[in-house]
Amino acid sequence: AQSVAQPEDQVNVAEGNPLTVKCTYSVSGNPYLFWYVQYPNRGLQFLLKYITGDNLVKGSYGFEAEFNKSQTSFHLKKPSALVSDSALYFCAVRDFTGGGNKLTFGTGTQLKVEL
Amino acid sequence: DAGVIQSPRHEVTEMGQEVTLRCKPISGHDYLFWYRQTMMRGLELLIYFNNNVPIDDSGMPEDRFSAKMPNASFSTLKIQPSEPRDSAVYFCASSQVGYNEQFFGPGTRLTVL
Repeated sequence: AQSVAQPEDQVNVAEGNPLTVKCTYSVSGNPYLFWYVQYPNRGLQFLLKYITGDNLVKGSYGFEAEFNKSQTSFHLKKPSALVSDSALYFCAVRDFTGGGNKLTFGTGTQLKVEL
Repeated sequence: DAGVIQSPRHEVTEMGQEVTLRCKPISGHDYLFWYRQTMMRGLELLIYFNNNVPIDDSGMPEDRFSAKMPNASFSTLKIQPSEPRDSAVYFCASSQVGYNEQFFGPGTRLTVL
């Protein structure tokens, strides 16, 4: 079965510093990987995805993610964090069971960016 | 497009009552998903539809939960009877391709007393 793990419940970073939110995956085939963000009292919003191609994927709001096959990781990064980036971040993987058209989400990582 | 629309945004009910949550997906999206989010269990997929047909309901917790999609622009998630452990935020999402970018609604916060 496909799964993703987010090892950190919370990440704290100072504004202006680079940020990394970690995600590792376990899949039986080619991984389709996603990052979503959830602001308080809102639904999840799509940030970026990796299906094939370049290992460095660029997404919304200046975020990017690096696909690393040897380490089975898909970490989310941003060169310079903003206070407004504070939110809950979810990594997700395409689940090939049940028709192959659904996503399995990680447990989420709370990002807190402080002044 | 207004995005995915869910109603009500908040619902407070008493144990044993029937609860109906509603969702209008984005026009042209063939896939509709119902999720539940709690602190304890995180984000769980309950059921999803493709072209109004339920494809995978393996996440539906028990027979008290049912979902329908009578047409391409409307879906309901019903809980009957409701229990306190059903308290959660319920999200509806839609997409053009199931596993690809999903657009989430604002959610319905359900509290069962």
